[in-house]
Amino acid sequence: QSVLTQPPSVSAAPGQKVTISCSGSNFNIGNNYVSWYQQLPGTAPKLLIYENDKRPSGIPDRFSGSKSGTSATLGITGLQTGDEADYYCGTWDTSLSAAAVFGGGTKLTVL
Amino acid sequence: QVQLVESGGGVVQPGRSLRLSCAASGFTFSTYAMHWVRQAPGKGLDWVALISYDGKVKYYADSVKGRFTVSRDNSNSTVYLQINTLRPEDAAVYYCARKYSYMDVWGKGTTVTVSS
Repeated sequence: QSVLTQPPSVSAAPGQKVTISCSGSNFNIGNNYVSWYQQLPGTAPKLLIYENDKRPSGIPDRFSGSKSGTSATLGITGLQTGDEADYYCGTWDTSLSAAAVFGGGTKLTVL
Repeated sequence: QVQLVESGGGVVQPGRSLRLSCAASGFTFSTYAMHWVRQAPGKGLDWVALISYDGKVKYYADSVKGRFTVSRDNSNSTVYLQINTLRPEDAAVYYCARKYSYMDVWGKGTTVTVSS
């Protein structure tokens, strides 16, 4: 059971928009920045969003992040077949001892 | 270019030990904290440990405390993960990743298989 809760899967058609939610608590998302990672099949994770809503250089503006209270959301517009991947949210958690935590991951299918 | 390359994985018997390495290049290694993250087959990301830029501060996931030790050699731009008393549930791809509050660069990973 992950500390952060994500839907196991989402799907949408090419060109459409999809959002992926990440729910936590005041011990993690509520008091820390959230980051998002994309993991294409058979590859290492890649940073998509950091500090809630910032995109690293090279990440297209089709990807966006937001945070409100103890939840965060990743948005992807103009879906492409190449976006099919697993997406993970991450942050720090201080409920017991300081630790980095991830959501369980969301599989995005572009129909 | 900025690069992280893990090594040291392999097939190991339960109860044995293993040391993983992560060699960094293309950036000033001694100014960055480093993480270890693992991923069991077909499962999600599982954070393992963090070491500060100078090696003085270390954090571990509760599931590995007492068995795993993270260390670094800034003169050789390498971070290590010592895994003792390997268990079947330690079988995973182990990634190293750069930075503290988020992970901006990841290696390709090294695979640890636990089997007798």
